[in-house]
Formats: sequence, structure tokens, C-alpha cells
Amino acid sequence: GQQLNQSPQSMFIQEGEDVSMNCTSSSIFNTWLWYKQDPGEGPVLLIALYKAGELTSNGRLTAQFGITRKDSFLNISASIPSDVGIYFCAGHSRSYAGNNRKLIWGLGTSLAVNP
Amino acid sequence: DSGVTQTPKHLITATGQRVTLRCSPRSGDLSVYWYQQSLDQGLQFLIQYYNGEERAKGNILERFSAQQFPDLHSELNLSSLELGDSALYFCASSGGRGDYEQYFGPGTRLTVT
Repeated sequence: GQQLNQSPQSMFIQEGEDVSMNCTSSSIFNTWLWYKQDPGEGPVLLIALYKAGELTSNGRLTAQFGITRKDSFLNISASIPSDVGIYFCAGHSRSYAGNNRKLIWGLGTSLAVNP
Repeated sequence: DSGVTQTPKHLITATGQRVTLRCSPRSGDLSVYWYQQSLDQGLQFLIQYYNGEERAKGNILERFSAQQFPDLHSELNLSSLELGDSALYFCASSGGRGDYEQYFGPGTRLTVT
């Protein structure tokens, strides 16, 4: 099935560092979502973006809906040990799903934080 | 707590058997989605129901089926189980104004031996 290109695949950083990850597609998306998954648990919605150029924050997390509508970025500032987990991007594209609400998913970015 | 509940939390069964996983969506959500996540893999979309009707299909095997009941809870039936079906199975729900936003349950971990 279709997948988003999410990078990097994994990151190992020091506590206190900032983190950036992104998600790209060859098609235009009208919605971008960012999720975090802790081991063995369900993904948790972090940020939802609905408008090109939109910049939205949730605490130390900031996500942007790319102007081209083909990408999105997630930044985490001043990382802490509890930021460890897998971050997934997901999006909705009418090219893929039409009027259906089905999402296309990235493969995830695994983040490890060294205290 | 997302408001989505899934039972059971863990399930261990033998090859060739059949199991049923259950999901209750958030109050008011009409859509239910099922996903499979194998070890260290991404989320594989299986199927979506909206208000009792199948809306979209993903990579769902013919041995798998699902349904959504009038009270909006959903069940995923897995039959003729194989070792490779061992995975986490997640249910998510969405609905209302922000209905692209899917909220996930805690998952059912299925182990086929």
C-alpha cells in the first residue's frame, strides 16, 4: 500500500538537544498528523495540521504543514528522556483516499535520548 | 486515556485457531479502523467501518474479517491463524468535526504458537 517517506529512520541524541524529523509525499495532502508510540502501547495523537503553512505547537513540540502540501515537519525542543519512542506521521490525501477518511502512514522515526 | 477500549489485552493461541478481537470506539465516534503492527514494523491499515458499513479496505487477508455493530463497537475476526499473524492489533476511532484525527486503543497483543 501507499506510504509516506519519513526520515530519519532513527535518531540517538543527548538530553537537552533539539530534534527534527520530516515526512514527504509525491502527492498533495490536505491533512497531516503526528503521533507518538511508546513500546507496546497505542499511538497517541500529538498534533494535527489542516492548512498549508500552518505552524502548531504542543508544549515542546512544533509541527508545520509544508507550503507545497507535500511535506510536514516535527520539531522537539530541549529533549528529555520521556521523549523516547517512535514518532509516526500520517496524512490524508484525496488522491489516495477520495472522500474516505483513510490515512496514509509513514514507517516511523525511532528516537532514543541519552540522559 | 484515548477513550477507545480494546479487549483482550493479550491473547495466546495455536496455529489454525480462530480468535475475535473487540473494540469500543470513543463516545460519539462513528468510524472504526483496524491496524496490524508486527514487531518493529509500521502500522498496516486493515479495514475501516463507518456507522456499521465497510468504508475502506487495506491489506486485510481473506482469513480476516470485521464488522461494526449497531452500538458501534467492532470486532475483528482472525481465522486459520498462522505464526506470522502474531502482532499487535490496534483499533482506532474518529468522528465529529475533527474526523481525520484517529484515536487509538491500547491494542491486543496476539501470539500464535
